[in-house]
Amino acid sequence: TQLLEQSPQFLSIQEGENLTVYCNSSSVFSSLQWYRQEPGEGPVLLVTVVTGGEVKKLKRLTFQFGDARKDSSLHITAAQPGDTGLYLCAGVPRAGGTSYGKLTFGQGTILTVHP
Amino acid sequence: DVKVTQSSRYLVKRTGEKVFLECVQDMDHENMFWYRQDPGLGLRLIYFSYDVKMKEKGDIPEGYSVSREKKERFSLILESASTNQTSMYLCASRTPSVGNQPQHFGDGTRLSIL
Repeated sequence: TQLLEQSPQFLSIQEGENLTVYCNSSSVFSSLQWYRQEPGEGPVLLVTVVTGGEVKKLKRLTFQFGDARKDSSLHITAAQPGDTGLYLCAGVPRAGGTSYGKLTFGQGTILTVHP
Repeated sequence: DVKVTQSSRYLVKRTGEKVFLECVQDMDHENMFWYRQDPGLGLRLIYFSYDVKMKEKGDIPEGYSVSREKKERFSLILESASTNQTSMYLCASRTPSVGNQPQHFGDGTRLSIL
């Protein structure tokens, strides 16, 4: 069973601060997806990183996939109250077998950005 | 636009009852999933279905069953509800065309078992 360790579990910061969320595994993944979930809603995909070492930017959010495709990070610059939510990383298994698109989720990071 | 609809946002049931959670997607997706979400544990896969009438157990199937009679509908059944099944339940669907396709989630059903 592939596991993804996500840290920290909680982050409470002031508006304007920077933060980083980490997602680590001993397993290699085909790709890594990041989702964001707001209260009362389901998770929504933010980004998929596919290539080892890949960096993707989404406005103030920077996502990185580790060279060995075992870990990933999400960095938010100058956090805003609108960034508040639950952030989830999810590993996509390597191709082949009968994965049927199953994802391995991290435990999630609850981010609160105070005005 | 993609739409996954879960029939109830909130549900309160009693211990021992048989509980049905319904999920419908309008995207003609082959793959559908049921998760439960608990604080600090992330999303844990209960069951998934890769086609009509096809299903496989996920990581925590005990106490649950599923039904997929039509492509668009995936039902989760709690055979005899217990208090430890109080949780948020999320349904998702996905097209299997290419490996990196995202899962599309419903807004969840918050189930309380008294």
